[in-house]
Amino acid sequence: EVQLVESGGGLVQPGGSLRLSCAASGFTFSDSSMSWVRQAPGEGLECVANIKREGSERYYADSVRGRFTISRDNAKNSLYLQMNSLRAEDTAVYYCARGGLLSAWGQGTLVTVSS
Amino acid sequence: DVVMTQSPLSLPVTLGQPASISCRSSQSLVYSDGNTYLNWFQQRPGQSPRRLIYKVSNRDSGVPDRFSGSGSGTDFTLKISRVEAEDVGVYYCMQNTHWPNTFGQGTKLEI
Repeated sequence: EVQLVESGGGLVQPGGSLRLSCAASGFTFSDSSMSWVRQAPGEGLECVANIKREGSERYYADSVRGRFTISRDNAKNSLYLQMNSLRAEDTAVYYCARGGLLSAWGQGTLVTVSS
Repeated sequence: DVVMTQSPLSLPVTLGQPASISCRSSQSLVYSDGNTYLNWFQQRPGQSPRRLIYKVSNRDSGVPDRFSGSGSGTDFTLKISRVEAEDVGVYYCMQNTHWPNTFGQGTKLEI
């Protein structure tokens, strides 16, 4: 069974940083691209970043480019999202998802940016 | 960015009756490999999204066959042949033909 478990969310002040992690199991992690998708409270879904299997290609939404960095460690079956210069509008539940087709999702981790 | 427009945004339905959601994209979703990367997701209250349909019409494992997807180019439809109580939630279309992947606004299905 595919499992994705996010961690690392919490309350952070504007301008601060946070690193999210996603532990994957139940599939060959190194064979899958991976994505981060976020959902602001009461709002819809936004793909913020995607990384190809070997990590050589990374894509970002305009809203986070230059502030967020997606990375992965295939030896540890883990996906990461380093978030810097956080803004109030980054407040959301952050999900990791398998592939560009988002075939499986984690339970999400809440990031709150507030003073 | 490709804009995905869903309609209706709210869909009151009666148990046992059919339901249909439309999704239109601002540009063609046909990729250079010939595939059309249009997907449908369901988000039940308090839960993570779950993919139902990928590449227009392919149902995911475990998805009831009352769900079906169709369409081409820029116009797509999700149909539920007979709505059940467990189908309550928000439905999103999403394209990943063009980066950034973009979602529709969501359609709230309620009984």
